[in-house]
Amino acid sequence: DAKTTQPPSMDCAEGRAANLPCNHSTISGNEYVYWYRQIHSQGPQYIIHGLKNNETNEMASLIITEDRKSSTLILPHATLRDTAVYYCIVGPSNTGNQFYFGTGTSLTVIP
Amino acid sequence: DTGVSQNPRHKITKRGQNVTFRCDPISEHNRLYWYRQTLGQGPEFLTYFQNEAQLEKSRLLSDRFSAERPKGSFSTLEIQRTEQGDSAMYLCASSLEVSGNTIYFGEGSWLTVV
Repeated sequence: DAKTTQPPSMDCAEGRAANLPCNHSTISGNEYVYWYRQIHSQGPQYIIHGLKNNETNEMASLIITEDRKSSTLILPHATLRDTAVYYCIVGPSNTGNQFYFGTGTSLTVIP
Repeated sequence: DTGVSQNPRHKITKRGQNVTFRCDPISEHNRLYWYRQTLGQGPEFLTYFQNEAQLEKSRLLSDRFSAERPKGSFSTLEIQRTEQGDSAMYLCASSLEVSGNTIYFGEGSWLTVV
C-alpha cells in the first residue's frame, strides 16, 4: 500500500515554478523519498530522491521537512513538456523491497 | 541505448491464450522488478528479483503468472490462460544494490486481452 499522500491534480502556468507537495508521515528512518513522473503511455521517469537533506539536480529540487513527514518537488520553470503524473514514493535504502506507488498528482502546465 | 528494454511493446491476445514478456535490465543491475499498471492507477508491484532469486511476490501475482530470471540477467513474465482483467501495461525496472538505490523503468509492455 502507498505510504504517501498527494493532491490528485494541479495546474501551473508555463514559466512559473511548480511546487508539488507530498505527505509521508509514516516514513521510516532509513527510507528515502523518491519522485518519478510519467507521461502518458510511457514508463515512469526518475526525477530525484533524498533522505534528509534538500537535493537539486538538472531537473528539479526536492525539499524535505526537518521531521521528514512531508516533501515538496519544485520544477523551477515549468514547460508544457512537464505536463505529466508525478509520483512521490518512499523506499528502503538498500533492502531491495518494492516501491509502492499511489495515484500521484496530475500536473497540467498551462500556456 | 543502455536503458531497461522491454519486448514486445504491444501485445493483443485472445482470452485463454498464454503470453510472455521479456525484460532486459540495465547492464550490471542485479535487481529487477515487475509492475502492472492499469489506466488511471499508479504502478502496482508484482515481483522482485535479486540476481536469479525471486525474493518477493505480491498477492496480485496469481498462479497464472510466473516470472523467471534464469541467469540473473534478463527476465520473463508469463501469463497463462489470459483473462480480460489482465489487460494492462506491464512495467519492468532495474536497480543496483546500493544505499538509496534508484530504480529505472522501461517503457512498458501493453497487453490487451480480447
